[in-house]
Amino acid sequence: AQSVTQLGSHVSVSEGALVLLRCNYSSSVPPYLFWYVQYPNQGLQLLLKYTTGATLVKGINGFEAEFKKSETSFHLTKPSAHMSDAAEYFCAVSAQGGSEKLVFGKGTKLTVNP
Amino acid sequence: KAGVTQTPRYLIKTRGQQVTLSCSPISGHRSVSWYQQTPGQGLQFLFEYFSETQRNKGNFPGRFSGRQFSNSRSEMNVSTLELGDSALYLCASSLRTGGGEQYFGPGTRLTVT
Repeated sequence: AQSVTQLGSHVSVSEGALVLLRCNYSSSVPPYLFWYVQYPNQGLQLLLKYTTGATLVKGINGFEAEFKKSETSFHLTKPSAHMSDAAEYFCAVSAQGGSEKLVFGKGTKLTVNP
Repeated sequence: KAGVTQTPRYLIKTRGQQVTLSCSPISGHRSVSWYQQTPGQGLQFLFEYFSETQRNKGNFPGRFSGRQFSNSRSEMNVSTLELGDSALYLCASSLRTGGGEQYFGPGTRLTVT
């Protein structure tokens, strides 16, 4: 069974500040890990994914995430927040070699203050 | 390449009615999954189809059903609608290469009154 916990349903940062969104996962098999972003009234857009190999993953819009197996974490960061980053972010896990089913966290709504 | 398209985008139905939602995947994608998004439960997996076969099903009542056609287009049906079925229904497609990378459509916003 797999599960995802996102710490903090709301995160607020100032424009130009570091963005850190936390994600911990539980998986009985090697996981694939993803971060998706959702803007109001839109579907989900893939930011980045970890499958195998390098544990530091770079995504679109300056975001990156680091897979830490020992901590079962996959936190999302961005060095400098931009107003356009305001959105809801979802961490998700799927099973390697399994179905395409994604198990999502509850989401973190990011607010960026001017 | 066109993205995932979902029709209709918005829908209002009355309790007890049934509804059919449609999803057209990205060209070449043979796997289609459906998710329900609500403020209370978040994003929940409904089903996954590949080559017209249901490969996986989430924990939803039998009122929720789906199918996939030979051109990979998919439909989901909800019968005997309940107020709690009001949600954003998202369709996602993938190549099913094992990477689990899915591309989502804009969703269908269903309101049940």
